[in-house]
Amino acid sequence: EAGVTQFPSHSVIEKGQTVTLRCDPISGHDNLYWYRRVMGKEIKFLLHFVKESKQDESGMPNNRFLAERTGGTYSTLKVQPAELEDSGVYFCASRGGPDLNTEAFFGQGTRLTVV
Amino acid sequence: AQKITQTQPGMFVQEKEAVTLDCTYDTSDPSYGLFWYKQPSSGEMIFLIYQGSYDQQNATEGRYSLNFQKARKSANLVISASQLGDSAMYFCAMSLGNRDDKIIFGKGTRLHILP
Repeated sequence: EAGVTQFPSHSVIEKGQTVTLRCDPISGHDNLYWYRRVMGKEIKFLLHFVKESKQDESGMPNNRFLAERTGGTYSTLKVQPAELEDSGVYFCASRGGPDLNTEAFFGQGTRLTVV
Repeated sequence: AQKITQTQPGMFVQEKEAVTLDCTYDTSDPSYGLFWYKQPSSGEMIFLIYQGSYDQQNATEGRYSLNFQKARKSANLVISASQLGDSAMYFCAMSLGNRDDKIIFGKGTRLHILP
């Protein structure tokens, strides 16, 4: 069974540009989460999809960030326009359902550097 | 509000010794799950162990065990017979048993195993 995949693995962009990150969850997982870890700091929750619906987007930092999950399969996270403080590692995770007994499987992360 | 606290930013332990990584949590919800994840230098997030709030026994997975003390709201990770490959960041995390089932993370503990 394929795990959670994210791409690109690395992205270096200039301030003001647009970047789109993609996450493919484990097939059949309804729950998809986005997290961000800025260098040396904690892992911050960004948002949570249940199928194609945004269950919780309380962690989205501002309206420069747009997440979608059309059809309830893969998800994209677009940053437009990117700022220097957006640099960090963006993780995606998926989970089978709201049952407590399901662990969240993480992708390898996308390391975003805004210069 | 829910919160995870890891008070040890870094630890140094001699190889083959046991190590305990501290984690306390705060929630008023009676139904929750507790997780530990390992993040090696390569960056991926690796699930280690899970404990449900209603589980009567402490969770164990190979060399990992979770010392769950519900009254104290602590969920310490114990690694027995530490190995050099255990050097990594370790994150304690929690998920609630309701529709707001995002996983929140502590700040992490960086563990260094010394030869």
